[in-house]
Amino acid sequence: AQSVSQHNHHVILSEAASLELGCNYSYGGTVNLFWYVQYPGQHLQLLLKYFSGDPLVKGIKGFEAEFIKSKFSFNLRKPSVQWSDTAEYFCAVNGPMNAGGTSYGKLTFGQGTILTVHP
Amino acid sequence: TAGITQAPTSQILAAGRSMTLRCTQDMRHNAMYWYRQDLGLGLRLIHYSNTAGTTGKGEVPDGYSVSRANTDDFPLTLASAVPSQTSVYFCASRDSGTIAYTFGSGTRLTVV
Repeated sequence: AQSVSQHNHHVILSEAASLELGCNYSYGGTVNLFWYVQYPGQHLQLLLKYFSGDPLVKGIKGFEAEFIKSKFSFNLRKPSVQWSDTAEYFCAVNGPMNAGGTSYGKLTFGQGTILTVHP
Repeated sequence: TAGITQAPTSQILAAGRSMTLRCTQDMRHNAMYWYRQDLGLGLRLIHYSNTAGTTGKGEVPDGYSVSRANTDDFPLTLASAVPSQTSVYFCASRDSGTIAYTFGSGTRLTVV
C-alpha cells in the first residue's frame, strides 16, 4: 500500500525566512502528487499538483515543489514566508493504479506539518 | 457557489448512539470520499465511492458505513459511536476527467 511521510510535524519560522517541507512516498510507479494547505478552522485547499512534465511545479501564493523521482520525494518550498502562511500543510499522493484500477483516485495523505510563522 | 456541503458543522455525541454525517455535492462528480483527520496522522480514508451505486472500504472503515444512492449524496453513518471516533471528518469529491479534488468544510465530531 502507498504511504506518505512528512519529515517535520511542526516548523517554526520568522517572517522572510525560507521554507522547505519534506515529503516522501513509498511507491515508485506512476503517481500524482499534491500539496494541500489547511488554514486554521478551514478546509483543505490545493496549493499545487504534479501530474507529469516539468518536475518543478509552481503553485499559488509563491509556493513551489520539486518532484524527484529517484528519491520518491516532492518537497514544498517558499523563498520567503509570511505570517499569513501559518497553517497545516499536507502532502498527498494519488496512486499507484493496480491492475484492476481500484486504487485510482484515492489520495493517501502524509501526517501533516504545522507551520507557524512569527511576525 | 458550487461545491460540497457537509452537515452538521460540529456535533457532540454520546457513546453508543448512532449518527449520520451528511455530504452533498452539486458538481456531478462521480467519485466521493470520506476522510477523518486526526492530529499527527493526517487524513485517512474511511470509505469511497467511484460512482453512484458502488462503495468501497478505505484505510480505516471499521465502525463506519456509507451509501451512494445517487450522484450527489454520500452519507457516512456511525452505527454505535465510540470515543475513538472523535475526529474531524471531511467529505471530498473528484472530477474523474481531471483528477481535481474538492473538499468540504468538515464536521467536527466529539464522542463522549
